[in-house]
Amino acid sequence: ETGVTQTPRHLVMGMTNKKSLKCEQHLGHNAMYWYKQSAKKPLELMFVYSLEERVENNSVPSRFSPECPNSSHLFLHLHTLQPEDSALYLCASSQDFFPLGLAGGAYEQYFGPGTRLTVT
Amino acid sequence: AQSVTQLDSHVSVSEGTPVLLRCNYSSSYSPSLFWYVQHPNKGLQLLLKYTSAATLVKGINGFEAEFKKSETSFHLTKPSAHMSDAAEYFCVVSDQDPGGYNKLIFGAGTRLAVHP
Repeated sequence: ETGVTQTPRHLVMGMTNKKSLKCEQHLGHNAMYWYKQSAKKPLELMFVYSLEERVENNSVPSRFSPECPNSSHLFLHLHTLQPEDSALYLCASSQDFFPLGLAGGAYEQYFGPGTRLTVT
Repeated sequence: AQSVTQLDSHVSVSEGTPVLLRCNYSSSYSPSLFWYVQHPNKGLQLLLKYTSAATLVKGINGFEAEFKKSETSFHLTKPSAHMSDAAEYFCVVSDQDPGGYNKLIFGAGTRLAVHP
């Protein structure tokens, strides 16, 4: 496997269920991200991990709980979701999270195929 | 804070004709700029990246973009559209958090349709 993989690709869950999304990157990167992509809205950054430490949490409801056991794996644990949480959840990774410096620019991110989540 | 505006939500072209997807950004410092493409039911794929080395950036699949600081623009072009180019395109600018680390700010996207 190469790049960034995500499982499952599709998930349907009830509002009382508990499920987890999994992301794995095979690029040797140090930073990993969770994004939410809803219809007609810009991509929303949810969580950022750098070297397995969370460095960003964009006011995401506690019903979303991330876990990063090592630099290659990232999970998003879901419980008691709402119908408005239905969306495409994208995982991404980058070489690192801190800037290279003004001359080097920002690191590009590599994305997985996403998990299409439907909450019923 | 940085921001990015994609000026067209939908663009429709005929196969073999040029493609122009427009993007304007605002930035208080020299940003990095990116274009990503997303095909249906797929993740985002990096098309190209600008980091101040050269103002004209060539990417994959014949796409290129030109950084124009005076116009704060980073438009994406391709000389001849192919049916496989039909997808959603995102213009992205880097932002620098007060904590010193960078993050990416995504535009709302432009959906490109290519007709035979």
